[in-house]
Amino acid sequence: DAGITQSPRHKVTETGTPVTLRCHQTENHRYMYWYRQDPGHGLRLIHYSYGVKDTDKGEVSDGYSVSRSKTEDFLLTLESATSSQTSVYFCAISSGPSTDTQYFGPGTRLTVL
Amino acid sequence: DQQVKQNSPSLSVQEGRISILNCDYTNSMFDYFLWYKKYPAEGPTFLISISSIKDKNEDGRFTVFLNKSAKHLSLHIVPSQPGDSAVYFCAASANDYKLSFGAGTTVTVRA
Repeated sequence: DAGITQSPRHKVTETGTPVTLRCHQTENHRYMYWYRQDPGHGLRLIHYSYGVKDTDKGEVSDGYSVSRSKTEDFLLTLESATSSQTSVYFCAISSGPSTDTQYFGPGTRLTVL
Repeated sequence: DQQVKQNSPSLSVQEGRISILNCDYTNSMFDYFLWYKKYPAEGPTFLISISSIKDKNEDGRFTVFLNKSAKHLSLHIVPSQPGDSAVYFCAASANDYKLSFGAGTTVTVRA
């Protein structure tokens, strides 16, 4: 299994509070991704990174920001959590450029009350 | 607008029989296709992939078929085993390091 960890694994928070989720990899892969999984939608890309300090938006980026100051860490921040952001969040990594196969972390279940 | 569609949310199959999962896509720029398997409370795990230059790829009990003209791919699992009970996601890439996923199909293998 690819060396990907996510923290925390579970979190309950209140509307309006900031939340930061962490993804850590030990594979030295260049590309990192944040997805959310919701019933009926599969996995939807929030943000991704193609290198240290290089990030870009995915299809559902509103309300989220990311940062990558080191190759191994990719942070996802909800500046002011809303109930619509209750979801399961997955981090993924990819070595690129010869393959688009991504490897996923175990997920973080976030509940916003 | 979802570019990858899995129109069957669930599939029930008897142990030992074939499971066939279907996936349709709309973006003609997609050139790489993948299937992921997901158990509850775990992250998706890569199962099998196929490049658009091929029409079939096989790995043990798993075979993926690609029909580019129909923008359709399918995953065959033969024979189905109880451990195959999971959610299966179809995904596609346009060689831009991003994946578009379908909504998933829940497979239940009956003893």
